[in-house]
Amino acid sequence: ETGVTQSPTHLIKTRGQQVTLRCSSQSGHNTVSWYQQALGQGPQFIFQYYREEENGRGNFPPRFSGLQFPNYSSELNVNALELDDSALYLCASSPGAGSPYEQYFGPGTRLTVT
Amino acid sequence: DAKTTQPPSMDCAEGRAANLPCNHSTISGNEYVYWYRQIHSQGPQYIIHGLKNNETNEMASLIITEDRKSSTLILPHATLRDTAVYYCIVRVLTGGGNKLTFGTGTQLKVEL
Repeated sequence: ETGVTQSPTHLIKTRGQQVTLRCSSQSGHNTVSWYQQALGQGPQFIFQYYREEENGRGNFPPRFSGLQFPNYSSELNVNALELDDSALYLCASSPGAGSPYEQYFGPGTRLTVT
Repeated sequence: DAKTTQPPSMDCAEGRAANLPCNHSTISGNEYVYWYRQIHSQGPQYIIHGLKNNETNEMASLIITEDRKSSTLILPHATLRDTAVYYCIVRVLTGGGNKLTFGTGTQLKVEL
């Protein structure tokens, strides 16, 4: 059984550009959540996808968008990158969308915006 | 959403029990208490969760007070590999789903 994987590991972008981050969920999991973790802070919830539909969103602007595919893998897209978007982006999968399912995190993608 | 309060840092000697406290005085009756940890430069790792009763698994024990306003995560025999940031989280629901609201956690340092 493979765990949650994310790609790429590291990424450097310029302010104003667009970026796509990818996540493969753990086998048997139909729910994917995305988090942003700034340096020295705890992860902040961006949004969650359950069976290809957005199923909850945190306090992030619309330029943060996502997709979930039929195989339950997911993408996070960020448009018009800002310097403050520099962070570790974490993907987590779970076997369901409701409590008390625990979430299993991937290693993250480190995004640097210059 | 219920908020949690944790000490910013703690030290523990290797082989001794590490007891990490968490205050969640505004927790609602149907909210679970979850613990995750994050070793440097890795994604958070699920440890344990509970609603009312004390829980134990192969990693740790979770003690929840009777009024549910606080809890303690116990690592019975801490090792150097347990050095990490430990997050106490109260599980909330968002629409039909859920999210984890992380605070700044407790940096546990296990030393020889």
